[in-house]
Amino acid sequence: DAGVTQSPTHLIKTRGQHVTLRCSPISGHKSVSWYQQVLGQGPQFIFQYYEKEERGRGNFPDRFSARQFPNYSSELNVNALLLGDSALYLCATAHHLKKDWQETQYFGPGTRLLVL
Amino acid sequence: AQKVTQAQTEISVVEKEDVTLDCVYETRDTTYYLFWYKQPPSGELVFLIRRNSFDEQNEISGRYSWNFQKSTSSFNFTITASQVVDSAVYFCALSARGSTLGRLYFGRGTQLTVWP
Repeated sequence: DAGVTQSPTHLIKTRGQHVTLRCSPISGHKSVSWYQQVLGQGPQFIFQYYEKEERGRGNFPDRFSARQFPNYSSELNVNALLLGDSALYLCATAHHLKKDWQETQYFGPGTRLLVL
Repeated sequence: AQKVTQAQTEISVVEKEDVTLDCVYETRDTTYYLFWYKQPPSGELVFLIRRNSFDEQNEISGRYSWNFQKSTSSFNFTITASQVVDSAVYFCALSARGSTLGRLYFGRGTQLTVWP
C-alpha cells in the first residue's frame, strides 16, 4: 500500500507570496494533521482535520489555513510568507479519531519550503 | 500542558555499541500515549513504537527496546549493537486525552551518529 504522499517535495518562494502544500493520506485514513518543523527542532502542530472538519489548531497565525477534501486529501495554505516560515512541513494521517484511543499517525516525506 | 524533554542533543557511538536515548514527559492527564519516531536525512518521520499510559510493560523488537516508567515519567529507547543505518534523529512524542485528540507534542530530538 502507498504511504502518505506530499507535494511538492521542495519549494522556493519570496516574502509576501502565497504557497499551497498538498497531502494525500494512506488509503482508508480519514484524519490528516499538519506539522511545521524548523531546522533543529521537533515538529510543531499546525492543524488537524477529520472528516473534512477542523478538529484542532496549534499556535499559528491566521496566515495559515487548511482544508480537507471529500477524498480525505488535504491542503495547507500559507499567505504573506515570512522568512520564518522556512521549514519542513509534514503531513500525518491516521485511520480515524476516537475519543478513547489514540491511533498511530503516519507521516509523509514532507515539503521543504524556503522563503527568500 | 504537555511537554516532552529529550536532554541529549547529540550522541555519537561506534558500531556495535549499545546506546540509550532518554525521554522525559510531562502531562496531567491520566490517559496518554507515547511514541518514538525516527527521522533519517530524507526527512520522513518513521514510526517506531506506541505505548499507552496504562501499559508499562517494556517492549523489545529486534535490536530495539523501550523502557517505560511512569514513576519517573520516562520512556527511554535503547538500541543494542548499533549499526551505521541507525544514524538519524530520533523523536519522542506525547499525545494526551485532554488536548486536541491525536495532537502530538514532540521533543527536540536526539541526533544519533553511528560510526563504522
